[in-house]
Parts: sequence; C-alpha cells; structure tokens
Amino acid sequence: DVKVTQSSRYLVKRTGEKVFLECVQDMDHENMFWYRQDPGLGLRLIYFSYDVKMKEKGDIPEGYSVSREKKERFSLILESASTNQTSMYLCASSLLSAPQGETQYFGPGTRLLVL
Amino acid sequence: AQTVTQSQPEMSVQEAETVTLSCTYDTSESDYYLFWYKQPPSRQMILVIRQEAYKQQNATENRFSVNFQKAAKSFSLKISDSQLGDAAMYFCAYKGNDMRFGAGTRLTVKP
Repeated sequence: DVKVTQSSRYLVKRTGEKVFLECVQDMDHENMFWYRQDPGLGLRLIYFSYDVKMKEKGDIPEGYSVSREKKERFSLILESASTNQTSMYLCASSLLSAPQGETQYFGPGTRLLVL
Repeated sequence: AQTVTQSQPEMSVQEAETVTLSCTYDTSESDYYLFWYKQPPSRQMILVIRQEAYKQQNATENRFSVNFQKAAKSFSLKISDSQLGDAAMYFCAYKGNDMRFGAGTRLTVKP
C-alpha cells in the first residue's frame, strides 16, 4: 500500500511565524502535490512537483513556497503565516506514468490554525 | 479553465438504500480522467472510483458505480446498498492538463 505521511495532524502558529509542513511518501512516486481544503471550496492546488528540485505553481501559490530536495519528501513553507492561511493542508503523490499516474494518494492532512 | 461542480452540498440515505451523487464539469479537452474520492471523518482521503474519458463503459467497483455522460459532461456516483461506513465527504475530481476538485458532498447514512 502507498503510504503518504504528514509531519503534524494539528498545528497552531502565530501571525508572522515561518511554518514548515512536511510530507513523505514511500512508494517512489515522481509527482507530489500540496492542496488546501476549505469548506465549500473543495481542494485547491498550491504547488506541485514532478521531480526532485522541480516545482510548479498551482492555482493559489501566493504566500507559499515549496522544497523538494529528495524524491520522497515535499515540504510546504509559509514564509510569514497569516490568519487567512488557517486551513486543512493535504499532501498527495502519484506515479508519473499514465494511466496509474492519474490516481493521487493522500496524506492524513494537517489542520493549521494561525492566530 | 476547467471547473467541477457538485450541486449537492449534503445528501442523506437510509442504510441499505441507493444514493446518487451528482457531478458536472466543464472542459474543452478531449483526453482526461474523472475520479470520485472519499474523505471519512478525520481520516485519509481515498480513491473510490476512476473513469478514463476515452472509455464508454461506466466504471464499477463493487457497490460503487458511475454514470458517465461525456457529451453532457456529467459524472455521477451511485452507491448501492449503502452502509454506515459510507458516511463521508465525497469529492468529484477532474484530471486533464490540470487537476480540479469539486466542493464536495457530505453524505450521511441513517441506520
């Protein structure tokens, strides 16, 4: 079974703090994704990566950055946390090759509260 | 840009009954995939079923089946013989050049 883990289930931070969310997958997937999930909005893509040291902006990259130094690890960074970044953050991974590559495997999520 | 619409924020079904969750999407692409994902309360999101757009046959996974109407850009999920464990948020998703998710439908199963 594919396993995607996230470093924290719950996180409370102060406005202006730098926040790191870590995601690790153990199935040698090339693709990794960061989403935020908000009620009534579904999942929105923040950033994704198709390879080590490679990153692409999603729909809502403002206020976020990412790092992928190793294939299995994809980090989301909030440079200066703000209250409007309070949300559930989901990491996902998938194989590059189609058709199996189109299915994403999700981590348990990190619920971030910014005070 | 592609959009995915789930018009039912909440649905309810009696245990052992059948329920259908609706999803429509908008795209100009001809080659894409459609998915239904399930997110149980406080648990990981998992894939329920997937459909390749080039396949005319509707996908089926045990009690879960889809009604894929490509011309109408509709992709509904039917859950037969509903069980208490089916209670969850269900997300419809589209994957072409981009990945898009709907807003979700919260399904309640009544015993």
